[in-house]
Amino acid sequence: GQQLNQSPQSMFIQEGEDVSMNCTSSSIFNTWLWYKQEPGEGPVLLIALYKAGELTSNGRLTAQFGITRKDSFLNISASIPSDVGIYFCAGHPGAQKLVFGQGTRLTINP
Amino acid sequence: KAGVTQTPRYLIKTRGQQVTLSCSPISGHRSVSWYQQTPGQGLQFLFEYFSETQRNKGNFPGRFSGRQFSNSRSEMNVSTLELGDSALYLCASSVGPRDQETQYFGPGTRLLVL
Repeated sequence: GQQLNQSPQSMFIQEGEDVSMNCTSSSIFNTWLWYKQEPGEGPVLLIALYKAGELTSNGRLTAQFGITRKDSFLNISASIPSDVGIYFCAGHPGAQKLVFGQGTRLTINP
Repeated sequence: KAGVTQTPRYLIKTRGQQVTLSCSPISGHRSVSWYQQTPGQGLQFLFEYFSETQRNKGNFPGRFSGRQFSNSRSEMNVSTLELGDSALYLCASSVGPRDQETQYFGPGTRLLVL
């Protein structure tokens, strides 16, 4: 089946640092979605991207839909303690069901 | 607009029992998907319902079943529970065209099987 490669798997950073994570696929995607999940809760949608090249911001978060339609990145600027969690990318390979990355676990040292 | 709601939030069962979990999608959303999430396996797709019909099914045994009602609310059932069924079960409702659906998740139901 379709697979998304999400990297890095985990990140340990200092408060105030910028964060970058990305997802790549071997096939073309029509949609890229980025979610954040905190312990014991469901994933929360952060940013949705629908067009190749699209660059969208949500506060300190910025995500881009790669022009090849096979990748996407999420950046977090000036990280704060509440940014801790697991970040998932997800995408639609054509009309097939949504496919999820394995997640990036973000840990922040104050 | 209210988000996706799931009930119950927490559940403890014993092996061999069965369990039914409920999901109410965001108003106007007709597609509901279910996922199982465990620490080692990530998000595993169970099934998807659209207009009361199962549209997609993941690779889970027949003990896992679901249904969707005319008001788009959905339930999933797990029969003959096993210890390995302990997990966070997530429901998500979707909006948008099929190849660009955006999924919104509920808070999940944490199931513990003893």
